[in-house]
Amino acid sequence: EPEVTQTPSHQVTQMGQEVILRCVPISNHLYFYWYRQILGQKVEFLVSFYNNEISEKSEIFDDQFSVERPDGSNFTLKIRSTKLEDSAMYFCASSREDYGYTFGSGTRLTVV
Amino acid sequence: GENVGLHLPTLSVQEGDNSIINCAYSNSASDYFIWYKQESGKGPQFIIDIRSNMDKRQGQRVTVLLNKTVKHLSLQIAATQPGDSAVYFCAETGTNDYKLSFGAGTTVTVRA
Repeated sequence: EPEVTQTPSHQVTQMGQEVILRCVPISNHLYFYWYRQILGQKVEFLVSFYNNEISEKSEIFDDQFSVERPDGSNFTLKIRSTKLEDSAMYFCASSREDYGYTFGSGTRLTVV
Repeated sequence: GENVGLHLPTLSVQEGDNSIINCAYSNSASDYFIWYKQESGKGPQFIIDIRSNMDKRQGQRVTVLLNKTVKHLSLQIAATQPGDSAVYFCAETGTNDYKLSFGAGTTVTVRA
């Protein structure tokens, strides 16, 4: 069964440092997403990406965040200057329009 | 779909019994609903989905019921097994709105 692959599984970074979280969506999916889950809380939408541009973003997705699809397979989330409150699980997902949503296993980001 | 929530945060069920997990949503424009299972340290795993033109859908051991009149969604798990212990989230999306809005989650614990 096709999977969404995320790397790394765990990232520890110093406050103020830049991090890049990587994802390989399912190959025939057209829509890509990043979600965040703070420990013990619900999954929150960050951003959706379609046709090489952001289609929607939440209030969480401020100027410190950016996304990129540098080639035909990877989809990345960059946090420019990490804060303690950015510590969370970050999930990448992809879909075929409004169905077939599939999530990756996540990257646990710890900002110290 | 900003207000998607669950009625109960925890559910304890005896192995072999049926489980019912509930979800209320407030956006009348929501037209696609998904139930996810999340095990500790993993990403949301698709269980079953339903569109707003249906009121019931069955899968293997699972049934989703949708009551659009009262904006209520439920997940029924038949013959609950220890492997069903997890956090269950409902999620929804609206027409031409491909981002998922998640509820707060219900933790299901199966007693042997």
